[in-house]
Amino acid sequence: GAVVSQHPSWVICKSGTSVKIECRSLDFQATTMFWYRQFPKQSLMLMATSNEGSKATYEQGVEKDKFLINHASLTLSTLTVTSAHPEDSSFYICSALGAGGNQPQHFGDGTRLSIL
Amino acid sequence: AQSVAQPEDQVNVAEGNPLTVKCTYSVSGNPYLFWYVQYPNRGLQFLLKYITGDNLVKGSYGFEAEFNKSQTSFHLKKPSALVSDSALYFCAVSPLNRDDKIIFGKGTRLHILP
Repeated sequence: GAVVSQHPSWVICKSGTSVKIECRSLDFQATTMFWYRQFPKQSLMLMATSNEGSKATYEQGVEKDKFLINHASLTLSTLTVTSAHPEDSSFYICSALGAGGNQPQHFGDGTRLSIL
Repeated sequence: AQSVAQPEDQVNVAEGNPLTVKCTYSVSGNPYLFWYVQYPNRGLQFLLKYITGDNLVKGSYGFEAEFNKSQTSFHLKKPSALVSDSALYFCAVSPLNRDDKIIFGKGTRLHILP
């Protein structure tokens, strides 16, 4: 089945650091990738939708200058949390959608980000 | 407003018993409906989805879900629960009849008791 790899799985860093998270579709071309944020014991909150070769579409309330998304190829999207602060600590999950109809989203295993 | 409701935060079921995880939705039109499962510190795994046709949808790991349009429900079921089914389950809906932007419920934690 379709596999999405997300890296790193766990990051601990100091406040003010920028952190890049990668999301790769390993065996299919992902025309669209999604980035979610999940708080403890809560559901997934969609942050942004990215399409290969175009600018990401951010959900209301998500700072695009804070969360930089790049989808440079059909198999890779990156999320960069710039100048991270403790309130950015969360579980970030990406998903990928292949071309063609009736394809479910395939999720990465998530990245736990802890900002000290 | 478009929404998905999972009324139970947690469901406890004895191993071997049938299980049901409830989901109702409020979306105009004919949405796509999904169930996903999440294990600790992992992403979501797709279980099944309903687009159209037979109201009973069969999915992975022996799970199935029944679409009920009149009750706007899409409950997840399994005839005989396993301890390994213990996880967090999310119901989701795509209001635009597409597989892209989807709305997740808040999740239901399923505990299967040995």
